[in-house]
Amino acid sequence: AQSVSQHNHHVILSEAASLELGCNYSYGGTVNLFWYVQYPGQHLQLLLKYFSGDPLVKGIKGFEAEFIKSKFSFNLRKPSVQWSDTAEYFCAVNANNAGNMLTFGGGTRLMVKP
Amino acid sequence: GAGVSQSPRYKVAKRGQDVALRCDPISGHVSLFWYQQALGQGPEFLTYFQNEAQLDKSGLPSDRFFAERPEGSVSTLKIQRTQQEDSAVYLCASLRRSNTEAFFGQGTRLTVV
Repeated sequence: AQSVSQHNHHVILSEAASLELGCNYSYGGTVNLFWYVQYPGQHLQLLLKYFSGDPLVKGIKGFEAEFIKSKFSFNLRKPSVQWSDTAEYFCAVNANNAGNMLTFGGGTRLMVKP
Repeated sequence: GAGVSQSPRYKVAKRGQDVALRCDPISGHVSLFWYQQALGQGPEFLTYFQNEAQLDKSGLPSDRFFAERPEGSVSTLKIQRTQQEDSAVYLCASLRRSNTEAFFGQGTRLTVV
């Protein structure tokens, strides 16, 4: 069975700082990778996804993530965060033999100070 | 509707009470998932439907949990004889078809007292 680890549970940044959130998964086969965001009081929304092709994927709101297969990682980055990026971020994996079931990491709560 | 709708948004149940949580997926979405999210954790898979067929229920934590989707649209997650450890947010997600984006509802926050 696959598992997902997010190393940072809480991150506090000032506006304009750069962001990198770590995500590692354990599964030896082919995977699809996702980052979801949950703004306060709202539902989970897809930020970006990787299925195949270019391992550097760009998502909404200036976010990007890089799939490094050799490191089993899919870290999320943003060069300059804004106060409105305050939210909880979840990395998720779908193994190709698991239907469309997503396995989520524990989440990282990001607070951006104005 | 425009998105996945779940009701109720909040439910307080006394221990031992039965509860039913409803999910209205996006119209035309074939796949439907239920997840359980405990406080401070990521969502965990409970069960999966493709149309009306429940293809995977391996994540249901006990036989007190039961889900159905009789007409391939609305789904209900039922928990019998609720216990304190059932307290969590229950999320529903739907997909138009395989390998597409999962759209999540806002969840039902269940508190068992």
